[in-house]
Amino acid sequence: GNSVTQMEGPVTLSEEAFLTINCTYTATGYPSLFWYVQYPGEGLQLLLKATKADDKGSNKGFEATYRKETTSFHLEKGSVQVSDSAVYFCALSVPEGGNKLVFGAGTILRVKS
Amino acid sequence: KAGVTQTPRYLIKTRGQQVTLSCSPISGHRSVSWYQQTPGQGLQFLFEYFSETQRNKGNFPGRFSGRQFSNSRSEMNVSTLELGDSALYLCASSRSGREADTQYFGPGTRLTVL
Repeated sequence: GNSVTQMEGPVTLSEEAFLTINCTYTATGYPSLFWYVQYPGEGLQLLLKATKADDKGSNKGFEATYRKETTSFHLEKGSVQVSDSAVYFCALSVPEGGNKLVFGAGTILRVKS
Repeated sequence: KAGVTQTPRYLIKTRGQQVTLSCSPISGHRSVSWYQQTPGQGLQFLFEYFSETQRNKGNFPGRFSGRQFSNSRSEMNVSTLELGDSALYLCASSRSGREADTQYFGPGTRLTVL
């Protein structure tokens, strides 16, 4: 089946620290990969996506590269801000599944000033 | 451009009752999906509608149902509510419903079952 595994949180960082949140996946077929972010009391917002191997998605200083050989899509940011505190979800969808998203468990990020 | 809207934002029901949640997608979007979010199970896919037809369904009991109208608005219904149905229900819309399409999520409806 299709599944996503994310590093467990919470991840606590100081402002301007480097961020990595690991994400690996298992998929039947060739998935598209996504990172969504959820701020307190809100729905999910797409942060970035990649639809084929070696693609790099980027947005708001966040980046992730689709690595087919390691089935990974790790999220990185060079310098986090307090406003980045949120829950981050890695997700995939596969062509046979329409646009059904399979989510990881989510990683809580806390950034201290 | 208005985002995805969901009503109501909060609901409190008792066991055995039924509930209907509503979702209005972004204008021009024809696909609407529903997800349940709980602390224990995380985000789980309920179903997807495209052009008034259910195209995909997750592993939920038949108490969970939905429909889509000709204007792409969607409703989901949960009958005979159980305590475990307490969750945040999220609706998402996308233009074509293809797997690489970006899905835009609403703020959710927080359902509490007492």
